[in-house]
Amino acid sequence: DAGVTQSPTHLIKTRGQHVTLRCSPISGHKSVSWYQQVLGQGPQFIFQYYEKEERGRGNFPDRFSARQFPNYSSELNVNALLLGDSALYLCASSLDFLSGELFFGEGSRLTVL
Amino acid sequence: QKEVEQNSGPLSVPEGAIASLNCTYSDRGSQSFFWYRQYSGKSPELIMFIYSNGDKEDGRFTAQLNKASQYVSLLIRDSQPSDSATYLCAVRHLVTSGTYKYIFGTGTRLKVLA
Repeated sequence: DAGVTQSPTHLIKTRGQHVTLRCSPISGHKSVSWYQQVLGQGPQFIFQYYEKEERGRGNFPDRFSARQFPNYSSELNVNALLLGDSALYLCASSLDFLSGELFFGEGSRLTVL
Repeated sequence: QKEVEQNSGPLSVPEGAIASLNCTYSDRGSQSFFWYRQYSGKSPELIMFIYSNGDKEDGRFTAQLNKASQYVSLLIRDSQPSDSATYLCAVRHLVTSGTYKYIFGTGTRLKVLA
């Protein structure tokens, strides 16, 4: 069975640009969460979606937004990129929003120049 | 005070020894506790979860939870060089009705010496 897939795996953007990251959860999983991981730190929670509804939001500015589609895949959008947005963006899939067992994709490494 | 605290390490143990990884958390309302392993350059992988006070064993891994002391630990018996990785402690608690907050520590780097 396919695990969590994320795209793109690597990307380079310049300050002020916009980026869209994509995630497909494990088949049968209905919840997707997004995390930002800066080198040397643990993942920081950005959003959780379940059945296309936002079920949790971390302490990130409004430049960060996300959505979940009817097939449970998800997009994370970041506007007006800053240098500090450079990080590994991880998508995690779970059975539902009650399940705390997260299955992570390999991540999208974003570099902002 | 950080919500989830871990010693960053590195924690070095000889092959075959027991590695003990510790984590403290600040929110007494925390309900679920998780340990993830992250190899360098890879994404986190769930090892164990524990919800109730006491010990939970799975193969060479034992998770221990003490809610009164707000403390959770992971023991790895018969440590192998392949266990060398960063171990992330994560805590989940209910924020509002129907929403949860999931907080990771910064991780402890474990080195198992052959």
